[in-house]
Order: sequence, then structure tokens, then C-alpha cells
Amino acid sequence: NAGVTQTPKFQVLKTGQSMTLQCAQDMNHNSMYWYRQDPGMGLRLIYYSASEGTTDKGEVPNGYNVSRLNKREFSLRLESAAPSQTSVYFCANGRGSTDTQYFGPGTRLTVL
Amino acid sequence: GQQVMQIPQYQHVQEGEDFTTYCNSSTTLSNIQWYKQRPGGHPVFLIQLVKSGEVKKQKRLTFQFGEAKKNSSLHITATQTTDVGTYFCAGSSGNTGKLIFGQGTTLQVKP
Repeated sequence: NAGVTQTPKFQVLKTGQSMTLQCAQDMNHNSMYWYRQDPGMGLRLIYYSASEGTTDKGEVPNGYNVSRLNKREFSLRLESAAPSQTSVYFCANGRGSTDTQYFGPGTRLTVL
Repeated sequence: GQQVMQIPQYQHVQEGEDFTTYCNSSTTLSNIQWYKQRPGGHPVFLIQLVKSGEVKKQKRLTFQFGEAKKNSSLHITATQTTDVGTYFCAGSSGNTGKLIFGQGTTLQVKP
């Protein structure tokens, strides 16, 4: 069991380019999350999905869109990347919205 | 809205010294969770506390949940270099139905 997988591990984009970060879980959990982590800022929630077919904004949703394709997959899209989106992005999941969260290995994104 | 604050943000200790990080919430929590993130890694769940005044131990780590369920602490006795990393608390309340993470405390241990 892989738990939570994220692709890609690293990515460099130019300002204005678009890309989709992929996340998949094999834990059969309902809730999935996208966080970004910047130095000194902790983990900030971008979007979350309490269950298949539902998504909600977190603390910092601007500039991002998400798609909960099915129970296993939750993708994060940057339509027009900006240098301020340079960060480490973590996907996580959990049985419910207040339960233990299991994190993927992260995607390190640099926007030039 | 609900906020979870952690102090200190950074802590440098000599190997063998003790370390404590504190977590405070603006609202009463249903539970508090603690996570550890090694440098370059991802957050990993350590423990969950649910009851008022609860104390749990994992080897040299002691976790406490305050009587009012608005604060928590993680204490490490006799730190080792393997303790290096960032420790996050995360709390949930019935009001929000979400888990809110603190900003984390980054621990450096000098050998």
C-alpha cells in the first residue's frame, strides 16, 4: 500500500504557465486536502474535499482550482502560475474532517 | 474564526537538554493532534489527545491536553539529534468541523 502518492515530486514553471498536481490515495478515506507550506508559515489549507463530489475553499484558495475526480484522486490546478505560488505542496487524507491526516511526500514547485 | 497558535517558532538546544512546545487555541477543542515533520519530509502523525487533562507518553515524548481543552504541550526529555524537525499541533472543534494546524515549532539539536 502506497498510502498517499503525489506527482510530480519537483517542478519548475515560468510565470503564466499552468500545471496540475496529482494526488492519489489507496486508504479508502473520504476527506482529502491540499496544503502549501512556506518557511515560517506552517501548513496553510488551500482546498479540501470532505467526500467524493464535494470541494470547499480553505484559507488560501486564490489562484488554484481543484477536482475530486473520484474517491481516490484529488488534483490541484494552477491556471496561471505566479512566483508567489513557489512553495511545497502537500496532499493529505483522512477518514473524516477532524480525524488524523496522512500526508503525501509533497511537490516542490518553483515559479520563475 | 478558530485559531491555533504555537510557541516558540524555533528552538535550538544542546543534545541532552529538554524541549517543550506549546499550543494554544482560541476556542475549546474536541481533540488535539501532534505531528512531526523531519527536514525535507512530510508531516507524520504522532498522537491524539481527547480528554481534558489527558497525558500520554511515547518514550521520551510527553503530551498533555489542558483541563480547559484549549491548550496542549509536547515535552521531549533529553533531546537527541533524531528529534530534529518541525512539530505541529492541530486541533478541531465542533464549531468548525475542521482540523486547524498551528504554525509549528522547529527544533534544532546541537550534538
